[in-house]
Amino acid sequence: GENVEQHPSTLSVQEGDSAVIKCTYSDSASNYFPWYKQELGKRPQLIIDIRSNVGEKKDQRIAVTLNKTAKHFSLHITETQPEDSAVYFCAASLFSGSARQLTFGSGTQLTVLP
Amino acid sequence: ETGVTQSPTHLIKTRGQQVTLRCSSQSGHNTVSWYQQALGQGPQFIFQYYREEENGRGNFPPRFSGLQFPNYSSELNVNALELDDSALYLCASSLRTSGSTEQFFGPGTRLTVL
Repeated sequence: GENVEQHPSTLSVQEGDSAVIKCTYSDSASNYFPWYKQELGKRPQLIIDIRSNVGEKKDQRIAVTLNKTAKHFSLHITETQPEDSAVYFCAASLFSGSARQLTFGSGTQLTVLP
Repeated sequence: ETGVTQSPTHLIKTRGQQVTLRCSSQSGHNTVSWYQQALGQGPQFIFQYYREEENGRGNFPPRFSGLQFPNYSSELNVNALELDDSALYLCASSLRTSGSTEQFFGPGTRLTVL
């Protein structure tokens, strides 16, 4: 089955700096890669996603890049703000019309220092 | 708010007992997935239900079972509880269409097994 590894496990940045979180996946058939933000005690919320037919996607301060050959994808947050502090999870999934099982990474605790 | 609700919010059980967790999907969604999130880890896929039938299962033993009802609400049942079953249980609803990808998570049920 799919295996997703995520690095780093913790990341501290100064407010206004950029943050980068990286994930690798094992199943070359995976074709959907969402990123979730989970604040303490709250539900995971989708912040951005990318499909395998696209190499990069951007939404305001957040961007995701995908390298299918190397089987890795990354989350980039620019101009970080204290409210960006949370745990971020990457995930990989195969959408084939049958069960779409999300395999998650182990998470990155991002702390934005004021 | 995503519209996915779960009950109860917290639950304490003892080893060997049985538990039922409930999920109400977002309006219009026909697919529900259940995930187990141990402390400090990413969610792990338990199973998915589509049109009242199990449609994909992760690496969980048969004592984890589920149901989906005609109104697309869902239950997760766990028999013979073990200490390691202590976790946050998340359900996520989605709409299965050819272009649909996002899963919307509920707030979770925190299960503690003593």
